[in-house]
Amino acid sequence: GAGVSQTPSNKVTEKGKYVELRCDPISGHTALYWYRQSLGQGPEFLIYFQGTGAADDSGLPNDRFFAVRPEGSVSTLKIQRTERGDSAVYLCASSQGTGLNNEQFFGPGTRLTVL
Amino acid sequence: AQKITQTQPGMFVQEKEAVTLDCTYDTSDPSYGLFWYKQPSSGEMIFLIYQGSYDQQNATEGRYSLNFQKARKSANLVISASQLGDSAMYFCAMREGPWMDSNYQLIWGAGTKLIIKP
Repeated sequence: GAGVSQTPSNKVTEKGKYVELRCDPISGHTALYWYRQSLGQGPEFLIYFQGTGAADDSGLPNDRFFAVRPEGSVSTLKIQRTERGDSAVYLCASSQGTGLNNEQFFGPGTRLTVL
Repeated sequence: AQKITQTQPGMFVQEKEAVTLDCTYDTSDPSYGLFWYKQPSSGEMIFLIYQGSYDQQNATEGRYSLNFQKARKSANLVISASQLGDSAMYFCAMREGPWMDSNYQLIWGAGTKLIIKP
């Protein structure tokens, strides 16, 4: 079946603008994660959804960042008043469960560039 | 404190040689899982291998094996008979268990850039 998809693949925006990044997880996967990966670094956790609810948003850097998953499938990460420091690759992952050995399947990422 | 440490920012290895990528971790949870992912220049994270803290044997998946030394908190990835297509970033990641009130997020190291020379 299809893997995790993310759109757009690239997004260039100006400082201060609002952006939305979309993640379409693997069908049937209840857990969904957003990570941010800055250049030359490992990913950093942003937020985790179990079903429709944000079970843990402790990784969101500030209140400009928000994410939703209204029907328990597609998720949208929203960034208000973007700053140059928000430039990174935003990765989405989904998994069938949250057991220790449950593999997270990653999408190709959205590369966000804030000018 | 860093929970996952990868001390090799970059490595050059001759094709067909074996390579070991280092990873040390830090956790007080007795139940945890360790993962290795490969990230080619295309950017997608590809799962390679998993080791659970209670697993008695070292994990193996084809050319990949995990040298798990629990007392040393080390989980090194070994790639046998390296190929040109193995050139990529390699990340070690950990997931902590329920005692840490975790959502099972992955905690990542900084990665090692592996370049295979022909």
